[in-house]
Amino acid sequence: DADVTQTPRNRITKTGKRIMLECSQTKGHDRMYWYRQDPGLGLRLIYYSFDVKDINKGEISDGYSVSRQAQAKFSLSLESAIPNQTALYFCATAWGAEPYNEQFFGPGTRLTVL
Amino acid sequence: SQQGEEDPQALSIQEGENATMNCSYKTSINNLQWYRQNSGRGLVHLILIRSNEREKHSGRLRVTLDTSKKSSSLLITASRAADTASYFCATNGGYSTLTFGKGTMLLVSP
Repeated sequence: DADVTQTPRNRITKTGKRIMLECSQTKGHDRMYWYRQDPGLGLRLIYYSFDVKDINKGEISDGYSVSRQAQAKFSLSLESAIPNQTALYFCATAWGAEPYNEQFFGPGTRLTVL
Repeated sequence: SQQGEEDPQALSIQEGENATMNCSYKTSINNLQWYRQNSGRGLVHLILIRSNEREKHSGRLRVTLDTSKKSSSLLITASRAADTASYFCATNGGYSTLTFGKGTMLLVSP
């Protein structure tokens, strides 16, 4: 079984709809991250969490919200989806004391907003 | 904003040849990491080099870091078709976040 899973893997939705992407991990890591990837732009950090009840904004948090329901679960929500949120979304986890910070990625969710 | 910038954006070589990718960054770092992404899949960590290290090896991978020039290079020796992927550098400035570059697309032809 994969250590970091994301659901759904693919989603097509319409402008204005609320969407939730979910991430679960069995690695026991305390740190979790959400990124989006757009062609030619690499990965950009949306939100991250160091523990339950700890939420931090990343580079591009506008239009997104997150919830860390448990150490193993980190959800990303688009309250009112818009077409420029069409992208590949990745969840990642990490552990360890600073500065060691290797991240482990999920398989991604491909989101299309029409 | 992206911290690392990879060069070249795309690289096409034959099996058996070496592939070299470069990464430049702007601010001081604690460590620099390289990741590989097969088409549309999640990123996989390849290697981490700390700011006080100059060179590191892992199998067919060799990474160098020059903090005075704020640059790093990833060398893949004796490339194989299975090495075809995008490669990203990511910098860590001492906090628990990484800043990724835009990546180099490597194509290794049989």
